[in-house]
Amino acid sequence: KAGVTQTPRYLIKTRGQQVTLSCSPISGHRSVSWYQQTPGQGLQFLFEYFSETQRNKGNFPGRFSGRQFSNSRSEMNVSTLELGDSALYLCASSLVGAEQYFGPGTRLTVT
Amino acid sequence: GENVEQHPSTLSVQEGDSAVIKCTYSDSASNYFPWYKQELGKRPQLIIDIRSNVGEKKDQRIAVTLNKTAKHFSLHITETQPEDSAVYFCAASKESSASKIIFGSGTRLSIRP
Repeated sequence: KAGVTQTPRYLIKTRGQQVTLSCSPISGHRSVSWYQQTPGQGLQFLFEYFSETQRNKGNFPGRFSGRQFSNSRSEMNVSTLELGDSALYLCASSLVGAEQYFGPGTRLTVT
Repeated sequence: GENVEQHPSTLSVQEGDSAVIKCTYSDSASNYFPWYKQELGKRPQLIIDIRSNVGEKKDQRIAVTLNKTAKHFSLHITETQPEDSAVYFCAASKESSASKIIFGSGTRLSIRP
């Protein structure tokens, strides 16, 4: 069974731009969660989607949004990028929100 | 909401010795407690988990204990080896309601040869 995949793996953007990241979960997994990881900040929960609905949300500003498609693939969008948005963005899929299987992440650099 | 605190933030042990990482959680309704290991440049991977109906779980050199009354759980690694060097994250969630999983801030474990 193929693992969680994320595209792109690396991205460089400038302040003010917007970015879209993609995550394809393990086949059969309907829950997709997104996390932001910065040095020393651990894994900060962004949001979780299940069956195309946002089921849980973390404490991030409205510039961070996401969606999930009928095939469970998910996208995350960040608008009006700030320098502080530079981070590794990880998505994870699971069957019912318990054991999380992480993707390799997208490393976003904002200059 | 749930809050998970993890200690210590860094830990250095001699190869062959034991390592212990401790976490506390705030929501007494939490009933699923996974531990993830993240090696440098790699994705976090589940190494062991425990549910609230048991107090201890062991898998070779790794064990996790849970004290529901005190709301804390710990990861124990015995006979540490160089490949145990990584960042370890604890987490807590209410599995039955499929709520979000809240992670601790991580512990960077270094094994001294």
